[in-house]
Amino acid sequence: GAGVSQSPSNKVTEKGKDVELRCDPISGHTALYWYRQRLGQGLEFLIYFQGNSAPDKSGLPSDRFSAERTGESVSTLTIQRTQQEDSAVYLCASSLYRTGGSYNEQFFGPGTRLTVL
Amino acid sequence: DAKTTQPTSMDCAEGRAANLPCNHSTISGNEYVYWYRQIHSQGPQYIIHGLKNNETNEMASLIITEDRKSSTLILPHATLRDTAVYYCIVRVASNFGNEKLTFGTGTRLTIIP
Repeated sequence: GAGVSQSPSNKVTEKGKDVELRCDPISGHTALYWYRQRLGQGLEFLIYFQGNSAPDKSGLPSDRFSAERTGESVSTLTIQRTQQEDSAVYLCASSLYRTGGSYNEQFFGPGTRLTVL
Repeated sequence: DAKTTQPTSMDCAEGRAANLPCNHSTISGNEYVYWYRQIHSQGPQYIIHGLKNNETNEMASLIITEDRKSSTLILPHATLRDTAVYYCIVRVASNFGNEKLTFGTGTRLTIIP
């Protein structure tokens, strides 16, 4: 079946503009994560969605960042008034949601490379 | 979550076993060891995880020392497609499904033809 897809694959924008990044998770995966990866660095957690529960927004770096999820499908990450330090690859991952000891492996999309000029 | 230390880079000859070490000397009793890898320009991919027993799956083996302060990921017959950055992560397993990950810079493994 289809994996996690993200769009656009690349986005170049000017400082101060708003951008929207889209994630389509694997069908049936109720958990969805957004991460950021700066050049040459590891992964930074941004936000987590699970069903109708309140999202875990603890990783969002500022109030310029927000994300929404429509039911248990598509998610959109929005960055307002982009800054050059926002340049990074933004990765989305989805997983099943099973509690009680099962590990919920995350399946990652290919990412969106954002460049802020 | 416990801190991990990995070598910055390693080389391995194609067809040989690749052994990737990870030190996690401050690991707690309820923290698991997870391994992911990231092939160039792709998203990370889960490999394997374990608590204290050695684990094996179709991709790799995970050997955890008895004191759990270090572990080794073994790719038994490395191929060129195994060239990637390998991340060792130590964290408590979530009972609530939120398995948010934080990666360091990992080990860049290069398989040499």
